[in-house]
Amino acid sequence: GAGVSQSPSNKVTEKGKDVELRCDPISGHTALYWYRQSLGQGLEFLIYFQGNSAPDKSGLPSDRFSAERTGGSVSTLTIQRTQQEDSAVYLCASSLGHTDTQYFGPGTRLTVL
Amino acid sequence: GENVEQHPSTLSVQEGDSAVIKCTYSDSASNYFPWYKQELGKRPQLIIDIRSNVGEKKDQRIAVTLNKTAKHFSLHITETQPEDSAVYFCAAVFSGGYNKLIFGAGTRLAVHP
Repeated sequence: GAGVSQSPSNKVTEKGKDVELRCDPISGHTALYWYRQSLGQGLEFLIYFQGNSAPDKSGLPSDRFSAERTGGSVSTLTIQRTQQEDSAVYLCASSLGHTDTQYFGPGTRLTVL
Repeated sequence: GENVEQHPSTLSVQEGDSAVIKCTYSDSASNYFPWYKQELGKRPQLIIDIRSNVGEKKDQRIAVTLNKTAKHFSLHITETQPEDSAVYFCAAVFSGGYNKLIFGAGTRLAVHP
C-alpha cells in the first residue's frame, strides 16, 4: 500500500516568508510525528499527534512553528517568518499506535535564503 | 526526564568485523525499543525492534539485546559489509502522558572494505 508522503519535496524560500509543509500518513495510523533533521545531525522531535488527544508540542523550537492534523489524517507544519537556521529536512512519520513501527516519509528539504 | 543516550557517535570497522551500538534509556516503564537505519540522503527505516518481554532478538546478521534491569539495549551487526555503512538510531517509547517514541542521537557506522 501507499507509504507516508510529504510535499513539497524541496522548498526554497526567502527569510521572513511563511511556509507550509504537508504530511499524508498511512491510512489508519493514529500516531503522527514531525521531526527536523539538520545536515549530518540526528532526529529532532518537533510535535506528536496521537488520535484525538491534544498534541505534544514540547519539541517546537519557537512560537513561529505550529502544526495541525485535520480529521485525524493529513498534517500541516507551518513555519512563520522563516529564518536561515530553519533550513533542514523536515520528516514526518506515522505509526498504527505508539508502540508500533514508525514509517517515515521522504522528507521536505527546506532552504531559507 | 525523557532521554535516550546512544554510543558511540561514530564507529569505523573493517569488513567482516562485528559492530556494536549501545543505548540507555531513563524510563523504567519503556516497553518498545526499535532500531532504525538511515542511509545517506534517505529516510530512516526500521531494521529490528524488541519488546520488553524478550531479552534478545535476531534477524540474520542483526541482533538486539535488552537488559531491563540496567535499562540498556544494544544492536549487534556481525560480518559487516560496506552496505551496512549508514547512521543507526535507537529509540524507546516513554510511558509518560504522551507515550511517544524518543530517539537517540545516532551512530555513524563506516564499514571499510
